[in-house]
Amino acid sequence: AQTVTQSQPEMSVQEAETVTLSCTYDTSENNYYLFWYKQPPSRQMILVIRQEAYKQQNATENRFSVNFQKAAKSFSLKISDSQLGDTAMYFCALGGSNYKLTFGKGTLLTVNP
Amino acid sequence: DAGVIQSPRHEVTEMGQEVTLRCKPISGHNSLFWYRQTMMRGLELLIYFNNNVPIDDSGMPEDRFSAKMPNASFSTLKIQPSEPRDSAVYFCASSLSGGRNTEAFFGQGTRLTVV
Repeated sequence: AQTVTQSQPEMSVQEAETVTLSCTYDTSENNYYLFWYKQPPSRQMILVIRQEAYKQQNATENRFSVNFQKAAKSFSLKISDSQLGDTAMYFCALGGSNYKLTFGKGTLLTVNP
Repeated sequence: DAGVIQSPRHEVTEMGQEVTLRCKPISGHNSLFWYRQTMMRGLELLIYFNNNVPIDDSGMPEDRFSAKMPNASFSTLKIQPSEPRDSAVYFCASSLSGGRNTEAFFGQGTRLTVV
């Protein structure tokens, strides 16, 4: 069974500062993918960043980067230079060989001006 | 491509009525997922299809829920009879399930309210 745990229900950060969202997961597979999705108030789920488990290099997408620690089964998201538009619910997700995506319960991030 | 299209965006129905939610996946995608989102339980996978075949429906809460995918471009999720506890946002998502790259593209969801 796959599980994803996000231990921070809510976080806040000041505009232009950096924030890190935590995620841990459990899977018995060796090859899998990890994702961070963003859900703004519009409700649309948007893919932020993706990490292949077989790659040691941490993924980066502009202001978004991850810290992938495979042995610890940890996958945190760092948002640099936070912007007001980053205010959203963030979901960590795990994809395995059966094509299922398992989501964490989410972290509500508020960026304050 | 227009992305994953769900209809309706909002649905309000009375307890006991039948509700049908619709989804058109992205053309060329061969996996389709139905998720339910609530404050209490987060995002729950209800069922997913691969090449129009239901692969895992273990997340379907009860026999009142059923899903079909008659062809590669259309899927429905039906609740009959509906109950107030079914009130939630229902998402459809699709992906191109090559290898283990299971990146899913989501529709905008259907907000269901059962009164």
